[in-house]
Amino acid sequence: EPEVTQTPSHQVTQMGQEVILRCVPISNHLYFYWYRQILGQKVEFLVSFYNNEISEKSEIFDDQFSVERPDGSNFTLKIRSTKLEDSAMYFCASSVGAMGNEQFFGPGTRLTVL
Amino acid sequence: DAKTTQPNSMESNEEEPVHLPCNHSTISGTDYIHWYRQLPSQGPEYVIHGLTSNVNNRMASLAIAEDRKSSTLILHRATLRDAAVYYCILRWAYNTDKLIFGTGTRLQVFP
Repeated sequence: EPEVTQTPSHQVTQMGQEVILRCVPISNHLYFYWYRQILGQKVEFLVSFYNNEISEKSEIFDDQFSVERPDGSNFTLKIRSTKLEDSAMYFCASSVGAMGNEQFFGPGTRLTVL
Repeated sequence: DAKTTQPNSMESNEEEPVHLPCNHSTISGTDYIHWYRQLPSQGPEYVIHGLTSNVNNRMASLAIAEDRKSSTLILHRATLRDAAVYYCILRWAYNTDKLIFGTGTRLQVFP
């Protein structure tokens, strides 16, 4: 069964450093998402991406964040200058269509900012 | 965004049916009712969704009240693997496709 994969599973970084979280969505999916979950808290939407552009973003997704689909398979989330409060699980998701279609989530990347 | 209310936690014994309730009294006519779950240390996983009629799939059943102000996710025979946090989410059919997660219901399943 096809699945969303994410690398790395755990990333440790120093405050102020740039990190890139990588995701490989399911191959025939067209809509891509990033969510995050701070330990013990809700899953929060960050951004949705379709047709090589951002379709929606949350207030959390400020200028420090960017997304890219550099080739036909990868979908990346970059945090330019990490803060302590960026420590969280980051989940990538994809769906074949928008709106009512189910979103398939990856296993997540745990980001720890020291 | 329309709000949902779920109990914080529920318990079940293995192989018994589980009924997970969700109240959504401010639901609009175009809101779909989606259920996702999150197993420990994993990403969320789609379970089922519906609009007005009851729905069944291989994982669960979704019973939607006639006035659509509440719904119930039914696991017909709980297994230990069903222990997870279950989220009831309303998605506006013609607007955003983001998922807005609440705190969900933590289901414990005992052998």
